[in-house]
Amino acid sequence: DAGVIQSPRHEVTEMGQEVTLRCKPISGHNSLFWYRQTMMRGLELLIYFNNNVPIDDSGMPEDRFSAKMPNASFSTLKIQPSEPRDSAVYFCASSLRGDYGYTFGSGTRLTVV
Amino acid sequence: AQTVTQSQPEMSVQEAETVTLSCTYDTSENNYYLFWYKQPPSRQMILVIRQEAYKQQNATENRFSVNFQKAAKSFSLKISDSQLGDTAMYFCAFMTLYALNFGKGTSLLVTP
Repeated sequence: DAGVIQSPRHEVTEMGQEVTLRCKPISGHNSLFWYRQTMMRGLELLIYFNNNVPIDDSGMPEDRFSAKMPNASFSTLKIQPSEPRDSAVYFCASSLRGDYGYTFGSGTRLTVV
Repeated sequence: AQTVTQSQPEMSVQEAETVTLSCTYDTSENNYYLFWYKQPPSRQMILVIRQEAYKQQNATENRFSVNFQKAAKSFSLKISDSQLGDTAMYFCAFMTLYALNFGKGTSLLVTP
């Protein structure tokens, strides 16, 4: 089992550019989560998918953020246009039974300059 | 809204010693789950231990154990025989329905 795979591991971009973060969940997991981690706010849930359908996107900070899950093995988180305050580590996680916890990817460190 | 509070931003322990990390939470739910996650410098989030609220028995995983006090809404993590590899951020997390809510974390340093 390769675990949850995120790419890229690091991303540096200029303000105003579009950024796309990618995630491949563990095969067979039916739930996928995107989290953002910052020093100030800690770990925040951005969006939750169940069976590829967005269930709760109340954590998405602004319309500049969007997430998709076109199939069970792939999800993207897009920021357009990016701003310096979007700099953070973005984690993707997946689960089959949430009450057993999630498996996290290794995260994408995004720096917007 | 459920909140998770970790009151110790930083802690230090010597190798082979025992350390306890504190966590309290606030909820009106009766059925929920609690977790401790470890985040070493590699940034990977690793599940350490899990506790079901309806079980009175405290969970144990090798050197890691919890002290779950449901009435007090307290969920502390005890690490026995600390090892250098235990150096990491430790996050307490609370779950109802589907969402994991995390505390701000405790940075643990294990020294030789």
